[in-house]
Amino acid sequence: GAGVSQSPSNKVTEKGKDVELRCDPISGHTALYWYRQRLGQGLEFLIYFQGNSAPDKSGLPSDRFSAERTGESVSTLTIQRTQQEDSAVYLCASSRAGGPGDTQYFGPGTRLTVL
Amino acid sequence: AQKITQTQPGMFVQEKEAVTLDCTYDTSDPSYGLFWYKQPSSGEMIFLIYQGSYDQQNATEGRYSLNFQKARKSANLVISASQLGDSAMYFCAMREGRTNTGNQFYFGTGTSLTVIP
Repeated sequence: GAGVSQSPSNKVTEKGKDVELRCDPISGHTALYWYRQRLGQGLEFLIYFQGNSAPDKSGLPSDRFSAERTGESVSTLTIQRTQQEDSAVYLCASSRAGGPGDTQYFGPGTRLTVL
Repeated sequence: AQKITQTQPGMFVQEKEAVTLDCTYDTSDPSYGLFWYKQPSSGEMIFLIYQGSYDQQNATEGRYSLNFQKARKSANLVISASQLGDSAMYFCAMREGRTNTGNQFYFGTGTSLTVIP
């Protein structure tokens, strides 16, 4: 596709349920990032993929959060046993990787609301 | 220490005037890239401009220019001839040159710009 796509665009769930958020990066981009953005706040780094390996998971806030990526393609962020504090916009970005001029391009985000 | 510092939580500018959004950074890596993104109320993150640490000239993209002062470690965004559609959050970001050792992409906390008609 032309840009990074994310689905669903909106997700409302009940506390305690599991959710899966999907990111489809720009074709050819080897690096993929997940961020969380709470209302009125900045970006909070969650995880970084290089290909299908995750050299940096340092931003995942708890073991309820996990992510995987198949090849250099789609990534899924899973949140288990959701809590109200998980409510936020989850942004995915991709880049070619390989150097300091490595611009990240963002998807439109998934707005998660946990009731 | 913060990798990226944006000290202006909110800024106002009159339509058609120029405005400067401040950004300072901290790195010991000689090779790095600096980026500015715009986030309107719709929530999308829009890439605006890039400056490489070895670039001799300040980057420009239309009405956007980056005032790069390497010795001061600052990378201020200048928006000329402000338009109402420029009202948004603006994020400064940096990518360090090391690769495959983890995430080296850092964002500031953002500056909210409001353009007044």
